[in-house]
Formats: sequence, structure tokens, C-alpha cells
Amino acid sequence: GDSVTQMEGPVTLSEEAFLTINCTYTATGYPSLFWYVQYPGEGLQLLLKATKADDKGSNKGFEATYRKETTSFHLEKGSVQVSDSAVYFCALGKEGATNKLIFGTGTLLAVQP
Amino acid sequence: DVKVTQSSRYLVKRTGEKVFLECVQDMDHENMFWYRQDPGLGLRLIYFSYDVKMKEKGDIPEGYSVSREKKERFSLILESASTNQTSMYLCASSLWGANEKLFFGSGTQLSVL
Repeated sequence: GDSVTQMEGPVTLSEEAFLTINCTYTATGYPSLFWYVQYPGEGLQLLLKATKADDKGSNKGFEATYRKETTSFHLEKGSVQVSDSAVYFCALGKEGATNKLIFGTGTLLAVQP
Repeated sequence: DVKVTQSSRYLVKRTGEKVFLECVQDMDHENMFWYRQDPGLGLRLIYFSYDVKMKEKGDIPEGYSVSREKKERFSLILESASTNQTSMYLCASSLWGANEKLFFGSGTQLSVL
């Protein structure tokens, strides 16, 4: 069945370091791909999305490119801040208007000053 | 801003009790979801509803039921709580339409003793 695999955390970085969180997926057809972020004590919120191959989603300095050839959607940011500390979830969606998503296990990012 | 409100942040119940988790959204969204979040497992879909009185099982519906009598309210019911249902429960809603973002509540941490 369809699935999402993320790199295990925690990922610990110093402020201004480069961030990559790996995400790969298994799915038939043409899924849409998402990154959601969960700040401490809060629910998840959409960070960015890409709906077709070679699309790049971006928001708040984060980017991810939908690579169909490698079935990947890696999250990157050039210079992280302490306020980026959170849990990041990669997700795929296949069922159109229902918006049901399959989530990865989440990656905890801790940014130290 | 869309608001998804879950009735309790923390809940402690005893084994065998009937438990109700309530979720209300204020943006007239058609879709509503219940997920549970467990360390190392990410988010798993329990139930989904796309309209009043309409529901679909998700990936892990066993031991749960749901009710959607009004569009804005989606309730998760644990008929007879068990210790393996100790978890963080997240409610979400979205518009009907492909690739619409999900709006999440802050979650209910349920402990079953």
C-alpha cells in the first residue's frame, strides 16, 4: 500500500545551519505531497505542498521539490532559527477531494542558539 | 482564521469507560477527520466524515466510532476504553476539494488507566 518514510530524528542543529529532512514515498499514480509542522503544544499546520512532478513548494524559507524519479520530497532550509524547532511531518494525498492524507512518522528538529 | 477546537486538552479515564472526544470547527468545512498520534508511528487515520451523518473508516477504526449530527461537530467515541487507546488524538477539518489544506486542533492527550 501507499506509505511515507521520513528520516528518524531528532535532528539537532545550530542556528543558521543548513537543514535537510529526507522524505520518500511509495504510491501508485500521481499523489500530492505535503509538509506539515507541529510546534510544541499545538496542532499540525501546513508548511508547503506540491501537487505534481517537478513542482517546488516553498514557505517561510523552507523548500521541497517533488521528484518522481526518486519518489522523494526532501525538506530544506538554508539557515534555520531557534523558532524552527518543531516536529515536521511529510504526507501524501491521493484521494482528491476527500483530502485524506498518509503521514510519515515525523522528524523532531531542535535548533540550538 | 479557521479554528478547530477540541473540548479537552488532557483527559484521564478508566478502563471500560465510554469516552467522548468532541471537535468543533467554525469554517463550514465539509471534511472532518480523527487521527491518533503515537511516538514512532506518526499520525494514523481513525475515521473520516465528508458530510453530516456520513462517515468512512480510516486505517485503525477498531474500538472507535464517530458521530456527525451537525456539520461543525465531529465526535469520536471510545465504546469501552482500553489502555492501548492511551494516545494523543487530533481532529482536523478541510474544505471539499483536491489538495485543500487540513486545519488541526491542538489535540487531546487521553490516558486510560
